[in-house]
Amino acid sequence: DQQVKQNSPSLSVQEGRISILNCDYTNSMFDYFLWYKKYPAEGPTFLISISSIKDKNEDGRFTVFLNKSAKHLSLHIVPSQPGDSAVYFCAASDLSIHTFRDDKIIFGKGTRLHILP
Amino acid sequence: DTGVSQDPRHKITKRGQNVTFRCDPISEHNRLYWYRQTLGQGPEFLTYFQNEAQLEKSRLLSDRFSAERPKGSFSTLEIQRTEQGDSAMYLCASSSKGLIYEQYFGPGTRLTVT
Repeated sequence: DQQVKQNSPSLSVQEGRISILNCDYTNSMFDYFLWYKKYPAEGPTFLISISSIKDKNEDGRFTVFLNKSAKHLSLHIVPSQPGDSAVYFCAASDLSIHTFRDDKIIFGKGTRLHILP
Repeated sequence: DTGVSQDPRHKITKRGQNVTFRCDPISEHNRLYWYRQTLGQGPEFLTYFQNEAQLEKSRLLSDRFSAERPKGSFSTLEIQRTEQGDSAMYLCASSSKGLIYEQYFGPGTRLTVT
């Protein structure tokens, strides 16, 4: 049972336009969400995060939106640049059912973003 | 410090052999994590350490897997009697006490079991 879902395996966007990557989650106990970017032959790189007490967090060209009622978050990249071509992973932190904090991260399967010239 | 490092980057082994991977975290980070990633999947949590204490192990971590972090610095992940299903990328990450959710990953060790 996948708790973090990225339903689009790939996405192509014209350079300069907005890229929107989507993510859904099923566990209502998640309290922190992250986006990671991964280039081939490298480990994932932390990009941006958002706490469940917020609905938006912005860092330069990257903005993450959180809709808790819909259990949905999205990453917006504006404007998209060629270097943004990578696999993007959505991730969430998991609170233990025994109520002590557990900082294990649950990842989605990733979305491959292609920025077209 | 240049980040999390892992060694080796690639390992090819025959089924039944034992392999050991090493991870050196960012020096001031006290938490260290191991993940496994297979093709088309995101990283899957295996285990993590706070200093030298192993705090949690995933059920993905069978009895053939063991991880150590003897002095709270580098960590090793050993797989005994490897199976073809163990073929994957093994990722190590570290984080500091203050920002536990922002984990910094190494480049990974790609294991191929033939």
